[in-house]
Amino acid sequence: QSVVTQPPSASGTPGQRVTFSCSGSSSNIGSNIVNWYQQLPGTAPKLLIHSNNQRPSGVPDRFSGSKSGTSASLAVSGLQSEDEADYYCVVWDDSLSGPVFGGGTKLTVL
Amino acid sequence: QVQLVQSGAELKKPGASVKVSCKASGYTFTNFFMHWVRQAPGQGLEWMGIINPSGGSTSHAQKFQGRVTMTRDTSTSTVYMEVSGLRSEDTAVYFCARSGTYYPHFDYWGQGTLVTVSS
Repeated sequence: QSVVTQPPSASGTPGQRVTFSCSGSSSNIGSNIVNWYQQLPGTAPKLLIHSNNQRPSGVPDRFSGSKSGTSASLAVSGLQSEDEADYYCVVWDDSLSGPVFGGGTKLTVL
Repeated sequence: QVQLVQSGAELKKPGASVKVSCKASGYTFTNFFMHWVRQAPGQGLEWMGIINPSGGSTSHAQKFQGRVTMTRDTSTSTVYMEVSGLRSEDTAVYFCARSGTYYPHFDYWGQGTLVTVSS
């Protein structure tokens, strides 16, 4: 069981907006930045959002991140079929002295 | 362009050791940290540890203490991760991932190495 919690699944139809939550505690999300990764089937993860809400070059502005207190969120607007993937949040944990990944959310585009 | 190229798939028996390599190119090897992350079949991502290629210092997740050894060879820009005392639960894809800081900002990833532990 990860100390950072994500819902195991989410779904939406093309064009919809979906959000993923990432819930932690004061020792991780409450005091450190959150990054988000997208993992397409059979591939290595890709950095999607860093520093809570910053998009690397090349990531569409349909993806956005936010953080409040001990929770973070990733939003995907204008859902597309190619967005079907697993999404992971990761954050440094001060108590563990290392990064912790959330369990991941599998997005299905209906 | 930045590339991290990992060694090929391995099949090991329980109790054996495995050493996975990650060869970096396209950037100054000693300027970036390298992390190891693994993913068991159908499961999520799990951080294992980090090595600073500049001085060779390492840090591991507590659960891997004593079983994981990370090293580097600056002459070939390659980092290695050895896992000893393999058990079936170690069956996973092992990724190397680069970061500019100690924190989990992994901007480039290797392609992954499947390690299967089976008798």
